[in-house]
Amino acid sequence: AQKITQTQPGMFVQEKEAVTLDCTYDTSDQSYGLFWYKQPSSGEMIFLIYQGSYDEQNATEGRYSLNFQKARKSANLVISASQLGDSAMYFCAMREGMNSGYSTLTFGKGTMLLVSP
Amino acid sequence: SQTIHQWPATLVQPVGSPLSLECTVEGTSNPNLYWYRQAAGRGLQLLFYSVGIGQISSEVPQNLSASRPQDRQFILSSKKLLLSDSGFYLCAWSPAHSSTDTQYFGPGTRLTVL
Repeated sequence: AQKITQTQPGMFVQEKEAVTLDCTYDTSDQSYGLFWYKQPSSGEMIFLIYQGSYDEQNATEGRYSLNFQKARKSANLVISASQLGDSAMYFCAMREGMNSGYSTLTFGKGTMLLVSP
Repeated sequence: SQTIHQWPATLVQPVGSPLSLECTVEGTSNPNLYWYRQAAGRGLQLLFYSVGIGQISSEVPQNLSASRPQDRQFILSSKKLLLSDSGFYLCAWSPAHSSTDTQYFGPGTRLTVL
């Protein structure tokens, strides 16, 4: 079974509108972390936002917020006031547990977001 | 501030040739280091990770190997490349003993094996 599922291969949004990118995850760990990364056409993976499993508040970073619903095991990314520069591939990732100060990430297959003027 | 470098940026190699990709991190000590591969239009696959000099863990058996000869240097190698080794290779680092263990990625190397 996939640990990270991103069901939207592609999303379209108009400039200045908000968009939600879906992510569901599967884990039996109590301690885990969820990440969103942006990958523009240049290829570099850019860290956007982090949510810990014990965090009670949804994470926010500027125009990015993470809609964390623990019972549903979902961690959707919300981008407010979309900009043309937001056009990119977006990946959801999960860290399960922590082993001696390091951990590995499992990535979803990504969602391509296109922002139109 | 911390920066991560990868080179070369692009590489075209014939099947059966050797490979060496290099990754270095600046501005931090004893980072955790990671090598990922991304096939065209796909997510990332973790290949190797390292928590210290000479300590390498492999996630996927293959004809690739990794080494960490210095604290902030991580090298991905192969003795004989296969066509299936083509892809985008990303190096990442995370702070040792961080509460979030956020990974930060380098610019990547695009490898084409012909």
